[in-house]
Amino acid sequence: GEDVEQSLFLSVREGDSSVINCTYTDSSSTYLYWYKQEPGAGLQLLTYIFSNMDMKQDQRLTVLLNKKDKHLSLRIADTQTGDSAIYFCAERTGGYQKVTFGTGTKLQVIP
Amino acid sequence: DAGVIQSPRHEVTEMGQEVTLRCKPISGHNSLFWYRQTMMRGLELLIYFNNNVPIDDSGMPEDRFSAKMPNASFSTLKIQPSEPRDSAVYFCASSLLGTGAGLANIYEQYFGPGTRLTVT
Repeated sequence: GEDVEQSLFLSVREGDSSVINCTYTDSSSTYLYWYKQEPGAGLQLLTYIFSNMDMKQDQRLTVLLNKKDKHLSLRIADTQTGDSAIYFCAERTGGYQKVTFGTGTKLQVIP
Repeated sequence: DAGVIQSPRHEVTEMGQEVTLRCKPISGHNSLFWYRQTMMRGLELLIYFNNNVPIDDSGMPEDRFSAKMPNASFSTLKIQPSEPRDSAVYFCASSLLGTGAGLANIYEQYFGPGTRLTVT
């Protein structure tokens, strides 16, 4: 079955690192994604990782994938107030484009 | 490109009324998704289309909800009759399903700005 879980809330100080965690249940996931939702807007793709990768780095973002534990994390280095948003973990399985989104983690950055 | 366009942006209606939400996907995209977002239930997939054909509507809450995609550039989500528990933000997203796998196609979904529906 498909189930993606995240903690609901994370608060960090500006300049610190943020780590947002996600667990999923479908071992046949092919792509895993992180989407960002700013207030009053739709979701935007932030980064992604293929299921055959362990890590992906993109500027301040680091994605870690542990397939054995079905655990995905997003690390944001030097967190800024502009990073305040809701972050959704998502997995894609199957032949079509059905993507299952997590519950979202609201990141609050304290100046 | 203007991105995914949704209308209206806000809708306030009374219980029992019919509500129609509209979506124009990104030109050239062949997949379209309707989502509902609430505080209690998070982001839920209601239905998605591929090449204008509904592929999975298992997320549609009940018969009061219906969705159509008469052509590649337009889709509607209709609620009739509406109820207060339908109050939510409804998002439309579109994507391009490629014919090959690999790095060239990560199946990114592009979301519209959403329609905030309030049923009183």
